[in-house]
Amino acid sequence: SAVISQKPSRDICQRGTSLTIQCQVDSQVTMMFWYRQQPGQSLTLIATANQGSEATYESGFVIDKFPISRPNLTFSTLTVSNMSPEDSSIYLCSVEVPGRYEQYFGPGTRLTVT
Amino acid sequence: RKEVEQDPGPFNVPEGATVAFNCTYSNSASQSFFWYRQDCRKEPKLLMSVYSSGNEDGRFTAQLNRASQYISLLIRDSKLSDSATYLCVVNPGGSYIPTFGRGTSLIVHP
Repeated sequence: SAVISQKPSRDICQRGTSLTIQCQVDSQVTMMFWYRQQPGQSLTLIATANQGSEATYESGFVIDKFPISRPNLTFSTLTVSNMSPEDSSIYLCSVEVPGRYEQYFGPGTRLTVT
Repeated sequence: RKEVEQDPGPFNVPEGATVAFNCTYSNSASQSFFWYRQDCRKEPKLLMSVYSSGNEDGRFTAQLNRASQYISLLIRDSKLSDSATYLCVVNPGGSYIPTFGRGTSLIVHP
């Protein structure tokens, strides 16, 4: 398994501003993922972040809106840019256990945009 | 047809009951299957993997039916603490990108 921390745990932001969410893992991992979860909904994958390469974004998500950094094997950031109330959600990072396809999630960042 | 489908419930059962959830998947090339549990306002946590031969962990039993393309989760002797949303997760063959179902809500009452 892996222990994952996220910062901040929650934030209230004004529209038009940006927020950077940090994800730290206690071990080196290749695959890191960023998800969004709306209230009462399942998880929606935003992008996959591999160290040393550009993030791969899912349909409906673009780099200008959700830039991602992956500077090393234990850390990643997701920025939510030019926020609007529609971006209010829980943002979760996860890591994949190498070779086992199991995912472990961080505690999430609860974002409210006013 | 959605890639991974679950009955959203809620399943409302008394303590001690046995409850079963099914999850169907559309990609016949899927190779890896999991059940996750998500408590209210918490992150999903891996409950168990689902192997071709089935998997049992205490009161929880997971099974895979490749011919009919579904997986199941059986919970015996339900506890109040089992109340949560159970997410079915499927990995297509050769892909590290999982597909999550919408989840099945379970409420266990006294």
